[in-house]
Amino acid sequence: EPEVTQTPSHQVTQMGQEVILRCVPISNHLYFYWYRQILGQKVEFLVSFYNNEISEKSEIFDDQFSVERPDGSNFTLKIRSTKLEDSAMYFCASRRFQETQYFGPGTRLLVL
Amino acid sequence: QKEVEQNSGPLSVPEGAIASLNCTYSDRGSQSFFWYRQYSGKSPELIMFIYSNGDKEDGRFTAQLNKASQYVSLLIRDSQPSDSATYLCAVALIQGAQKLVFGQGTRLTINP
Repeated sequence: EPEVTQTPSHQVTQMGQEVILRCVPISNHLYFYWYRQILGQKVEFLVSFYNNEISEKSEIFDDQFSVERPDGSNFTLKIRSTKLEDSAMYFCASRRFQETQYFGPGTRLLVL
Repeated sequence: QKEVEQNSGPLSVPEGAIASLNCTYSDRGSQSFFWYRQYSGKSPELIMFIYSNGDKEDGRFTAQLNKASQYVSLLIRDSQPSDSATYLCAVALIQGAQKLVFGQGTRLTINP
């Protein structure tokens, strides 16, 4: 069964450094999402992406964040200058048309 | 602010009994309703979705939706220890990006 994959599974970085989180959505999916979950808190929407552009973003998704679909398979989330409060689990999700979203396994980001 | 509320638990149920999980939402424009299961440190895993008022059954799981009361529930029959997890309620508008708004989750423990 096709799955959303994410790399790396864990990332440790220093405050102020740039990180790129990578996702490979399910191949015939059209809508792509990033969510994050701070430890012990709810899953929060960051951004949605369709037809090579952002379709919606949350207040969390400020100028420090960007997304890109550099080729036909990858979907990336870049954090330009990480802060301590960016430490969280980051989930990529994808879906087709009106169907449900399927989540990847997540990248655990720790900012020191 | 669009909110999804769940009792955070923990909810403790004996093995073989029915577990009942509840969720309320604030946005009357919400059209799609999802239950995800999340094991500790893992990503959300879709259990069921429901779009219409009433009940929807899938194996041991039944989702119930009452749009007038803005209420969604999940029943798990014949609960098994492997059902022990955090259950996330999520809602989406049918229009636009269909981002998911998650509740805090209910932690369910099935006691053998």
